[in-house]
Amino acid sequence: AQSVAQPEDQVNVAEGNPLTVKCTYSVSGNPYLFWYVQYPNRGLQFLLKYITGDNLVKGSYGFEAEFNKSQTSFHLKKPSALVSDSALYFCAVRALTSGTYKYIFGTGTRLKVLA
Amino acid sequence: DTAVSQTPKYLVTQMGNDKSIKCEQNLGHDTMYWYKQDSKKFLKIMFSYNNKELIINETVPNRFSPKSPDKAHLNLHINSLELGDSAVYFCASSQVAGEAFFGQGTRLTVV
Repeated sequence: AQSVAQPEDQVNVAEGNPLTVKCTYSVSGNPYLFWYVQYPNRGLQFLLKYITGDNLVKGSYGFEAEFNKSQTSFHLKKPSALVSDSALYFCAVRALTSGTYKYIFGTGTRLKVLA
Repeated sequence: DTAVSQTPKYLVTQMGNDKSIKCEQNLGHDTMYWYKQDSKKFLKIMFSYNNKELIINETVPNRFSPKSPDKAHLNLHINSLELGDSAVYFCASSQVAGEAFFGQGTRLTVV
């Protein structure tokens, strides 16, 4: 079955420290991977994606993610966290099912950046 | 210029009523989706349309009926609303290989 796992419900980090939000995936074929952020009472905003190429992808707001094929992971990172980064983060994979594509989301990780 | 817009943003209604949520995208995408986000924030796909054709129907009760009058619009009609239908419903669109763009969501509360 094609799936995405976010093992942490919540991640706490002090402002200015580096942050990592973990994601692992299971998909047949080459994975198309995405990270989204959701602020309270808002829709999902796209942060970055991995389709092919360099394993380190850079995205919006200083976020980056590292694709690791052997570990089937796509962890989200930021060198220096801001209080304003506090939000709900979703990892997603585009999966081929019955000849068509859909986006499968992880369960979300709440990031709390402490001042 | 809102890329994916949904109306209404909030919807409070009584059990048994019928309601609709509208979605429009101005990105020229071929594929549109409806997702449901429950109280635990889990996101689950409900439907996918490609060029006005239903592609995915994820075992959603048949009280939910999507309609796509053209490839820029995907509406969701819900009959005989139940308490368990309370959730946030998101419309999204994408091209084949790209990321999905999401609307701001419709918070449906059934009382």
